[in-house]
Amino acid sequence: DAGITQSPRYKITETGRQVTLMCHQTWSHSYMFWYRQDLGHGLRLIYYSAAADITDKGEVPDGYVVSRSKTENFPLTLESATRSQTSVYFCASSESPGTTGGETQYFGPGTRLLVL
Amino acid sequence: RKEVEQDPGPFNVPEGATVAFNCTYSNSASQSFFWYRQDCRKEPKLLMSVYSSGNEDGRFTAQLNRASQYISLLIRDSKLSDSATYLCVVNMYPRLGNDMRFGAGTRLTVKP
Repeated sequence: DAGITQSPRYKITETGRQVTLMCHQTWSHSYMFWYRQDLGHGLRLIYYSAAADITDKGEVPDGYVVSRSKTENFPLTLESATRSQTSVYFCASSESPGTTGGETQYFGPGTRLLVL
Repeated sequence: RKEVEQDPGPFNVPEGATVAFNCTYSNSASQSFFWYRQDCRKEPKLLMSVYSSGNEDGRFTAQLNRASQYISLLIRDSKLSDSATYLCVVNMYPRLGNDMRFGAGTRLTVKP
């Protein structure tokens, strides 16, 4: 049972470059999320998706783009990376709210991104 | 004001101690509340949901006070393995979907 995976696990890039972080889940969960975690801020929601082809902004969406053409994949793209986007990025998935346990989010192992 | 606030700690306690964490939230319409646990350099994992009547899971007890908009987590008989950061999580009802807000976390270290 692979669960939810993220790649790459570590990434170093330069300011201005485009970077794509991958997220894949094997549970067929409807919802998927992208968070960033920074010291002192905790986890902040970047984007989330309720289903394939349905995405919505979270707290801190600026500078990020997402897509969800397939239920199992939810890539996050930094179109032009900035130093302020240095962070740990977590992908998560959940079932639909209203189902038993539907609000529980299951997290991937994270991607550590350094923008120089 | 942050939507979810927690005392960052760190809380340093000896094995066997009882420790309590509090969390306050600003959205009075929130309906779902959780505690997650995050080990160093790992992903968060659900510890327990918080029900309006309060709930207990072994050594862990969660309480909700809607009038004062705070949630608590009590850990009894602390173990070394309880050392972690504990995240308070609140949903953002009436926003649709599983839109949650995470507190910055309270760090706990249990010492021998």
